[in-house]
Amino acid sequence: SQKIEQNSEALNIQEGKTATLTCNYTNYSPAYLQWYRQDPGRGPVFLLLIRENEKEKRKERLKVTFDTTLKQSLFHITASQPADSATYLCARYDGYNKLIFGAGTRLAVHP
Amino acid sequence: SQTIHQWPATLVQPVGSPLSLECTVEGTSNPNLYWYRQAAGRGLQLLFYSVGIGQISSEVPQNLSASRPQDRQFILSSKKLLLSDSGFYLCAWSVGSYSNQPQHFGDGTRLSIL
Repeated sequence: SQKIEQNSEALNIQEGKTATLTCNYTNYSPAYLQWYRQDPGRGPVFLLLIRENEKEKRKERLKVTFDTTLKQSLFHITASQPADSATYLCARYDGYNKLIFGAGTRLAVHP
Repeated sequence: SQTIHQWPATLVQPVGSPLSLECTVEGTSNPNLYWYRQAAGRGLQLLFYSVGIGQISSEVPQNLSASRPQDRQFILSSKKLLLSDSGFYLCAWSVGSYSNQPQHFGDGTRLSIL
């Protein structure tokens, strides 16, 4: 079955630095990978989608890369702020309708 | 614009009692609808999804059931709750008919079983 793996340890960084989160997947390469943000007690919020033929996707301070050789996606937040502190989830579709989520990585940005 | 509503926000129920959680979507037609459960500090577990009225796919055998009586209404039910049913329940929708669409989540229901 398809698996999505994210670093379960929290990532602590200083404000202004770049945060980099990792998402690894197994078996065949997905056509798309999605990234979500989840704040405590709230539902996940969609951030970015990257296609397999896109090496990189940007949205404001966010950047996602997709390396089908390494079976890995990296999620970067540049000039990080305390407001960026949250759990970030990576996801891929397993078939047509089922989205498989990683367990998420908690990011803490310290002033 | 599209919105998704989930209620109640929190619920405390005794073991063995019934459950009904409701989710409605506005501003879109024929969405795909999903129910997830999230245990504390864990990932999202897909429970049910629906691609149309009356069409329900179950992902995990358990004492929960789902129904879709209307196009934009999705209900999660149980006849008798277990302690293990405690968790954070999330409803989501995505655009139907197209694959690999983002999902849009409600704010969830925190269910505690006593």
